[in-house]
Formats: sequence, structure tokens, C-alpha cells
Amino acid sequence: QIQLVQSGAEMKKPGASVKVSCKASGYTFTSHGINWVRQAPGQGLEWMGWVSTYNGNTKYAQNFEGRVTVTTDTFTSTAYMELKSLRSDDTAVYYCARPTGGGYLPLGFWGQGTLVTVSS
Amino acid sequence: QSVLTQPPSASGTPGQRVTFSCSGSTSNIGNNVVNWYQQLPGTAPKLLIYSSNQRPSGVPDRFSGSKSGTSASLAISGLQSEDEATYYCAAWDDRLHVVFGGGTKLTVL
Repeated sequence: QIQLVQSGAEMKKPGASVKVSCKASGYTFTSHGINWVRQAPGQGLEWMGWVSTYNGNTKYAQNFEGRVTVTTDTFTSTAYMELKSLRSDDTAVYYCARPTGGGYLPLGFWGQGTLVTVSS
Repeated sequence: QSVLTQPPSASGTPGQRVTFSCSGSTSNIGNNVVNWYQQLPGTAPKLLIYSSNQRPSGVPDRFSGSKSGTSASLAISGLQSEDEATYYCAAWDDRLHVVFGGGTKLTVL
């Protein structure tokens, strides 16, 4: 079955960077892009960016442009999201999500989420 | 501030029909389809409705979606206690890529 398994919780200091991984299985990795969505405590969903697993093309939300980088490793079927210059308001659960089809949406498959805590 | 506007809360009693609204603009809902997600506490979101009115396999037909102009709606009929969750709308935006609503938290009384 299709699975997206994310790396474990992280605790970072302000100004640091974090890199979250998302390992895919159960389908051809290069057939579907990967989106990253975050959710601050008690808040709604916020889209961060998308990466093509076929050619590495990316799209980013304006709010994160310049601070986030999404990449893939086709050999290990793993997607990565790196967020730099962390602030306390970056504390959130970060999800990877795969569309059901070949486009950007809808997000039919989700990872379990990775809690990133930013605190001094 | 979310690009798509949803009321923050809704409530209903078992068996009742409830509806959720999602308001956007021409660049998102007006030009593109809407998807709805259900998020139970402590879990990842689950796709509930795609292409404005289509249900993925396994989603009960109690859930239905519609779209008109720059607004969309999700309806749940025959409300059940396990429907207590937060519901998010989402759409492609021609300028901003993917946008979400702020979510509507449903309480089953």
C-alpha cells in the first residue's frame, strides 16, 4: 500500500535549520510530486511548497520563498524539506503529502507528520 | 489570514444535516476545483472530497460537495459522532499555488 513515512521530531534553536525527510513506498516515486504542508499548534493547514519527483522542479509559497528548499532523492524514494533561519513561530507539525493523480492536488496520501519545535 | 474563508465552528446533533461554506475568489475557487479534507484530532488530514463534488473510494455518501462561482460547500447528512473533526477546503490558486481555508471545527452535540 502507498505509504509516506516521515522522520522523527526535531528540537531546534532560533536561527538554526531543520531538514525533514519523507520516504515513499508502494508506488513509482517519480510518477507523483510531493507537497509540504505545515500546521502550527491549534492552527490551520499552510501549504509550503511542491517538488517534482520526476525532474526536481519546485514551487514555493510566497511566505516561505528563500527560506525553504524541497528536494528529492530518487534512489531512495525520499523527499526532503529544509527550512532555514528558524523562528519560534515555525514550531509546527510538518506533513508531506502526495497528490492522488499527476498534478499538484488533491492531496490523497499524507505522511504521519513531523513535529518541529523551535525554542531557545 | 487564510486565502479561503471558512467559519471557525459549526455544530449539529446526530442524524442532522450540516453544511460548511468556503469562500474564495476568481483566482482560486472561481477558476479551479475545490478539495475538502477531514482532520481528526492528532491525525493527518484525510481527503474527503475532490474535484468539488467527487468522493474518494471509502468515503461514505453522507458527505457531498458543491461549488458555485467563487464559493464551495461541504454537506454532511445523517451526522454521526465520529464526524466530529475539523474540515478544511483547499484549491489551486492561479497566483499563490495551493491555498487552504482556516478550517471549520465541527462539534456533534
